[in-house]
Amino acid sequence: EDQVTQSPEALRLQEGESSSLNCSYTVSGLRGLFWYRQDPGKGPEFLFTLYSAGEEKEKERLKATLTKKESFLHITAPKPEDSATYLCAVQLGSGTGKLIFGQGTTLQVKP
Amino acid sequence: EAGVTQFPSHSVIEKGQTVTLRCDPISGHDNLYWYRRVMGKEIKFLLHFVKESKQDESGMPNNRFLAERTGGTYSTLKVQPAELEDSGVYFCASSQTVQGAQYFGPGTRLLVL
Repeated sequence: EDQVTQSPEALRLQEGESSSLNCSYTVSGLRGLFWYRQDPGKGPEFLFTLYSAGEEKEKERLKATLTKKESFLHITAPKPEDSATYLCAVQLGSGTGKLIFGQGTTLQVKP
Repeated sequence: EAGVTQFPSHSVIEKGQTVTLRCDPISGHDNLYWYRRVMGKEIKFLLHFVKESKQDESGMPNNRFLAERTGGTYSTLKVQPAELEDSGVYFCASSQTVQGAQYFGPGTRLLVL
């Protein structure tokens, strides 16, 4: 069964303390891996799509990487405004646009 | 450019009633998706439209749920009759291509009492 697992479930960091979030997946055929940010009461906000192992993408303090079994979202010198739930989702190569989501990692950055 | 919009933002109904949710995708996006998140669970796929055609409806839970996209623009998701377990947040998303980024709306929070 296709599955996406994110860890940790929750992460507390001090402002400036860098860390990484993990998204591991077991799927029959990966077309793409998506990262989203979600603030309370809002819809997921698109961050990155990664399509092949070895690919990396960056946006401000965030950097996403992809291997054949997992993806990491690295947060460098986070600020309190980076506090949110980060969601990982995979899309299979079967023709449908369906995304399979993980449970998310809730990040809290304290000043 | 306007993002994905959803209406209503909240809905509280009694078990057995009917509710219709609406989604307006980003202009020009042929692909439209419905997802939902029930309490404590991950976001789950419901269905995928390409223009007005249902490309994949494998996530629709049962025949109480009916999605339409007449004319390939906005979409509606009707729940009839609603059950308690239908409570959750219903998200709509749209994308330009199937493999491209999906942009989500703010969601409709449905509570069935």
